[in-house]
Formats: sequence, structure tokens, C-alpha cells
Amino acid sequence: NAGVTQTPKFQVLKTGQSMTLQCAQDMNHNSMYWYRQDPGMGLRLIYYSASEGTTDKGEVPNGYNVSRLNKREFSLRLESAAPSQTSVYFCASRKGYASYGYTFGSGTRLTVV
Amino acid sequence: AQRVTQPEKLLSVFKGAPVELKCNYSYSGSPELFWYVQYSRQRLQLLLRHISRESIKGFTADLNKGETSFHLKKPFAQEEDSAMYYCALDNAGGTSYGKLTFGQGTILTVHP
Repeated sequence: NAGVTQTPKFQVLKTGQSMTLQCAQDMNHNSMYWYRQDPGMGLRLIYYSASEGTTDKGEVPNGYNVSRLNKREFSLRLESAAPSQTSVYFCASRKGYASYGYTFGSGTRLTVV
Repeated sequence: AQRVTQPEKLLSVFKGAPVELKCNYSYSGSPELFWYVQYSRQRLQLLLRHISRESIKGFTADLNKGETSFHLKKPFAQEEDSAMYYCALDNAGGTSYGKLTFGQGTILTVHP
């Protein structure tokens, strides 16, 4: 009963390095989301995928790219990390209708130095 | 555009006291509203959704469309309620396609 699994849990990058955050869900959910959590700003949507094969920008997409590899997996890529991308990143998924609620992963704490 | 505002960053109460976490929203359509909770070092989890009108862990929340509010209330706070609380709005409007917008969050601390 894994739910939403994110890897890695922690990561330190140097400015300019690239990395991919992985997210997988085993609940057969259609929609998947990437959020970042920053103090005083709540969670802000980076990118989302309403269904397999589609992706759309959220509120703060600059500096990120995503891939919906299949129905289970939705990855977030930082091509050239910047200190402003230091944050906690959460992946989430939703079955279908909003009233079901979202299931969140445990988060990835990323520090860019 | 949809927007969720939680005016209090921090809220402190004593055990047994009533607690109310405020949430206001702006959205022109029919919103679906939620409260999520994040306990220390844990992932976000769904606490309440307005559509189900349920009470979870003693918490309730009523959608007031006239005041565009969805405040979270509990008559007698417990120490284990200490956590970060997020109000969130989904713009799906009954469809299967939508996205969740969060407020800034309120850190609730319940003192013994």
C-alpha cells in the first residue's frame, strides 16, 4: 500500500547542476502534480498532468521540466539548479474527481548551494 | 483566477480551548474546498472536504459562499492537533480535470 513514492528524500546540488526528482503512484490515478513548499508561501503548483500523455504549467514553472512517462510515473527535472529552487518538493496524485482528494508523497528536500 | 488566503501564519491556543483557523477564497465558479494537515515530519494528508460535510478528529468546516469562507473549527483543542494546516481549493467544478490551489498555511500550536 505504497501510495505516492518520491525519490530522493534529500538532495544537495551545486548551482548549475541538473537532477530529476522521481514520483510514482500505484493507485491507478489519472492526474499527477508537482508542488513546491516554501515558508510563508504555502504550496505552489509547478506542473501537472491531467492524464497520461498531457502536461501543463502551473503557477511557478520556470526552471523546471516534467515528463509523464506513463500512468504511474511523473518526473520533475531541474536543468540548471539555482539557489532560488531550494525548497521542499511534493508530488501528488488524484484519482479523478476533485472530491476524492489528493494523495501526497513524503517530499524531497532540495538544497542548492 | 483562484486564490486562497489564510490570514494567520501562527495560531496558539491552550489545550481544551476552542480553535478556529480562517480561510477565505476567491473563485468565480463552483469551488471544491479542502483542509489538509501536515504533522511534524509527515506528508500532507486530507483532513476535511466541504462536499462530505464530515467531522474528522473533532474538526468541522462549513462553506459560506456569501462570505467566501471555509473556516476550520474545533471546540476543544488537543496537543496532538499541533500541526501545519492548509486550506485548498480545487477548480474542477464537478469534472475530472482540475488543480489544487493552497493557502499560505497556518501553524497551530496547542499548549498543555
